[in-house]
Amino acid sequence: GENVEQHPSTLSVQEGDSAVIKCTYSDSASNYFPWYKQELGKRPQLIIDIRSNVGEKKDQRIAVTLNKTAKHFSLHITETQPEDSAVYFCAASAFGNEKLTFGTGTRLTIIP
Amino acid sequence: NAGVTQTPKFQVLKTGQSMTLQCAQDMNHNSMYWYRQDPGMGLRLIYYSASEGTTDKGEVPNGYNVSRLNKREFSLRLESAAPSQTSVYFCASRGQWDTQYFGPGTRLTVL
Repeated sequence: GENVEQHPSTLSVQEGDSAVIKCTYSDSASNYFPWYKQELGKRPQLIIDIRSNVGEKKDQRIAVTLNKTAKHFSLHITETQPEDSAVYFCAASAFGNEKLTFGTGTRLTIIP
Repeated sequence: NAGVTQTPKFQVLKTGQSMTLQCAQDMNHNSMYWYRQDPGMGLRLIYYSASEGTTDKGEVPNGYNVSRLNKREFSLRLESAAPSQTSVYFCASRGQWDTQYFGPGTRLTVL
């Protein structure tokens, strides 16, 4: 089955700097890669996703890049703000596969 | 739309007690999921249901049973709770473009 590894497990950045979280996956059939943000005590919520037919996708300060050859994808947050502090999860699934496999999460702390 | 709802929000059980966690969605989604979340372990799939009347095991199904009561509702049952089942449980449903929508979670403690 699919295995998703996520690094780092914790990340602290100064407000205004950029943050990068990286994930690798094992199943070459995977073609859907979402990122979820979970604030303390809240439910995970989708912030951005990418499919294997594109290499990069942006939404304001958030971007995701995908390297299918190397089987890794990354989340980039620019101009970080205090409200970006949360746990971020990457995930992967293959077309037609009902199941998402999640990484173990990255706790991002923005230092004012 | 309420989205995905779960009850209860919190529960404390003694070892050996049973309970059912309830989940409902009003988005007309076919697929529904139960996850558990433990520190440092991410979200692990317990069971899922691709459609009404079907259920399948996920990564960590031992000690749990599920029922897909109808298209809206998907329940998770602990027959004999153990301390190792202390966790936060999330229900989710899957939309048209593979996005999973999560409920607010149930924080379960087993003493």
